[in-house]
Amino acid sequence: QKEVEQNSGPLSVPEGAIASLNCTYSDRGSQSFFWYRQYSGKSPELIMSIYSNGDKEDGRFTAQLNKASQYVSLLIRDSQPSDSATYLCAVGNYQLIWGAGTKLIIKP
Amino acid sequence: ETGVTQTPRHLVMGMTNKKSLKCEQHLGHNAMYWYKQSAKKPLELMFVYSLEERVENNSVPSRFSPECPNSSHLFLHLHTLQPEDSALYLCASSLILLRESNEKLFFGSGTQLSVL
Repeated sequence: QKEVEQNSGPLSVPEGAIASLNCTYSDRGSQSFFWYRQYSGKSPELIMSIYSNGDKEDGRFTAQLNKASQYVSLLIRDSQPSDSATYLCAVGNYQLIWGAGTKLIIKP
Repeated sequence: ETGVTQTPRHLVMGMTNKKSLKCEQHLGHNAMYWYKQSAKKPLELMFVYSLEERVENNSVPSRFSPECPNSSHLFLHLHTLQPEDSALYLCASSLILLRESNEKLFFGSGTQLSVL
């Protein structure tokens, strides 16, 4: 059974701090890794994708992938209250396996 | 706006009703999907269509019936649902099938369904 695990949270982070979200996966053959953000009552929206080991930066967001340890993480720098949402990790090997999401709360 | 439009946004129905969810994508994508999202659970893939042909059906009860008349439109017909079917139903599209490449998904805004 292919699985993607995320801590459900909530993860509470002060405004301006770094939020760190983690995800582990079971399928060693996974090739694509995505972070989606979902505001309450809204649909998921893609914020980061990463395909190779290492870091990928996009503005305040950095995705980190370590295939040997089978984890992928998302760092949010200078956290803002508008970053408060549920973050979904999805891992692909020609099918997408989803985590249940981590709820992030940024406290002003 | 993601280019994927779903209607209605909210739906309340009784267990004996028949209703349909509609999805339209304006992205020129070839693959469309129905997902179910229940509270604190991972997204569940229900149906997959590629160029109007159903390519995957993940053991979904027959009270859910999909229809894809063309590559831009997708429907989910609902009948004799159960209260446990209450959830957010999400339509998504991708340029080509996920199983043929590691594509990104674009989601519609979802239909929040409540079955009484």
